[in-house]
Amino acid sequence: NAGVTQTPKFQVLKTGQSMTLQCAQDMNHEYMSWYRQDPGMGLRLIHYSVGAGITDQGEVPNGYNVSRSTTEDFPLRLLSAAPSQTSVYFCASSYSDREGLDGYTFGSGTRLTVV
Amino acid sequence: LAKTTQPISMDSYEGQEVNITCSHNNIATNDYITWYQQFPSQGPRFIIQGYKTKVTNEVASLFIPADRKSSTLSLPRVSLSDTAVYYCLVGGADKLIFGTGTRLQVFP
Repeated sequence: NAGVTQTPKFQVLKTGQSMTLQCAQDMNHEYMSWYRQDPGMGLRLIHYSVGAGITDQGEVPNGYNVSRSTTEDFPLRLLSAAPSQTSVYFCASSYSDREGLDGYTFGSGTRLTVV
Repeated sequence: LAKTTQPISMDSYEGQEVNITCSHNNIATNDYITWYQQFPSQGPRFIIQGYKTKVTNEVASLFIPADRKSSTLSLPRVSLSDTAVYYCLVGGADKLIFGTGTRLQVFP
């Protein structure tokens, strides 16, 4: 089924470990974003991309890196995990053209715990 | 990016119409107004988007006054399954900045 696929769904890391959260979409969307959502809170934008080779920082970029080598993939890298990065991470994608007016499609999320 | 203000929570009963108003006094000329719905443990889902006047789709209506400094999401005849958090966003298509949202609780 077409959509945004995030892997893994769950992950436990030890403080200081690094890992990559994967995000892939098969809708040929130009725009892709990463968010984190802490319990009982709204979503905060980490990084976003408006196309292959172009990325920019969002509201809370520290401790995270991204790259966009292809239109389909937008991985999020945690450089040195900290307990403060325990959260649910959502990837989202959208067309750049507003003609469709169908907004962003979100993945099902990755629940990350850092101990 | 324009900041949005929404009520923190609202209660309703099944079958009623629910209107959630969002204030965005600093909306820019090119900004669109978009509403998302989020259920627990799921990613947000797009509901509706508009620029001015009224937009209607199969699930909701969006009312935007001429000055565009506010907008109202209207959910007709809500059901228990409409219990969720609703986010109002204002801005361009390249990035979405979420506020705190409105937690809607629908009772039988």
